[in-house]
Amino acid sequence: DSGVTQTPKHLITATGQRVTLRCSPRSGDLSVYWYQQSLDQGLQFLIQYYNGEERAKGNILERFSAQQFPDLHSELNLSSLELGDSALYFCASSLSTGGGEKLFFGSGTQLSVL
Amino acid sequence: GENVEQHPSTLSVQEGDSAVIKCTYSDSASNYFPWYKQELGKGPQLIIDIRSNVGEKKDQRIAVTLNKTAKHFSLHITETQPEDSAVYFCAAVPGSARQLTFGSGTQLTVLP
Repeated sequence: DSGVTQTPKHLITATGQRVTLRCSPRSGDLSVYWYQQSLDQGLQFLIQYYNGEERAKGNILERFSAQQFPDLHSELNLSSLELGDSALYFCASSLSTGGGEKLFFGSGTQLSVL
Repeated sequence: GENVEQHPSTLSVQEGDSAVIKCTYSDSASNYFPWYKQELGKGPQLIIDIRSNVGEKKDQRIAVTLNKTAKHFSLHITETQPEDSAVYFCAAVPGSARQLTFGSGTQLTVLP
């Protein structure tokens, strides 16, 4: 068990809808990262938050947004969903924000857009 | 930006044999190279990592080597066991960035 909790584990929704994925980092970790994993794109970095502030942005669509709350949990909001958004979404956490930090991943949320 | 290439995409070995997975990276300023193991239905788990000031690191049956000149690093698993079957990802952190860039993954199957 990595100590990172993601909910829900599975999510099935329709095109055009909006969903929210939730992540609780390991106790003491201040950074949260979101990754998207699909069969053809591998693990793609979306966004990083550190202690409530956005720190780095990757290949995140404008339809997607995220935030980190004062209690350090994070939410990833996906709107106007398309079939191609179906993927496994992982949250990871680390103690700080340095590039050489060890990341601890949650078990992921499997999103299916029908 | 950083580009990490990983080979092979699939690898089958007999139990007890060794397995080697190779990765190359493009950014010469990259300085941290972790390896993750992802079992079915789970998130990636860090199994070993190496920093650019070290050429080799070993942890029991797992070892990683780094060749900075050639910009490649490899994962070596000896005496493979069925529980080693999983998808393995290499990654690199570019010198200017904080986030990992992952390779495309290797599905390792250890045949009993």
